[in-house]
Amino acid sequence: AQKVTQAQTEISVVEKEDVTLDCVYETRDTTYYLFWYKQPPSGELVFLIRRNSFDEQNEISGRYSWNFQKSTSSFNFTITASQVVDSAVYFCALSVKAAGNKLTFGGGTRVLVKP
Amino acid sequence: DGGITQSPKYLFRKEGQNVTLSCEQNLNHDAMYWYRQDPGQGLRLIYYSQIVNDFQKGDIAEGYSVSREKKESFPLTVTSAQKNPTAFYLCATKAAASTNEKLFFGSGTQLSVL
Repeated sequence: AQKVTQAQTEISVVEKEDVTLDCVYETRDTTYYLFWYKQPPSGELVFLIRRNSFDEQNEISGRYSWNFQKSTSSFNFTITASQVVDSAVYFCALSVKAAGNKLTFGGGTRVLVKP
Repeated sequence: DGGITQSPKYLFRKEGQNVTLSCEQNLNHDAMYWYRQDPGQGLRLIYYSQIVNDFQKGDIAEGYSVSREKKESFPLTVTSAQKNPTAFYLCATKAAASTNEKLFFGSGTQLSVL
């Protein structure tokens, strides 16, 4: 069975501070994909990034960056110089080929950026 | 506009009543999914459909039913057997179930019990 754990339930920061969201996953399969989604107050989940299990290259996209480490089964997400618009719930998710590519979500981390 | 439309945005259910949540998509995606989100929790899969006229149970299917008569539509019925229906329900689609492409989500329906 697959499992995704986001230990931080809520993080509060002041604008311009950096914030790192932790994600730890469990799977016995060697072929899998990891995702991050953002859920703003409107409710709709917005896709941020997808990484496959064979590519541990870290990625930066604007103020967002991701750190994938297979050795620790972690896929952490950092927002640099946070802004009020970053306030949302962020979900980490795992998709395993052997399980029909259905997404297993973590519990989410609520980020509150104060001006 | 292209995308996924969920309606209504808010829905209230009386005891013993069945209610149906609508999900319509014009993305021409084969796969459609229903998730339930409880406060402070992640999304849990209720039902999914890989193709028209086919659907499978997810992790928490009890008390729910679905149909997939058209590619564009995947309605979810919350039956009276679902004793704790209050939650936020999200519909999602993917081009094909067999791929690891991203899911596209609707804006959700908040269901509450009167």
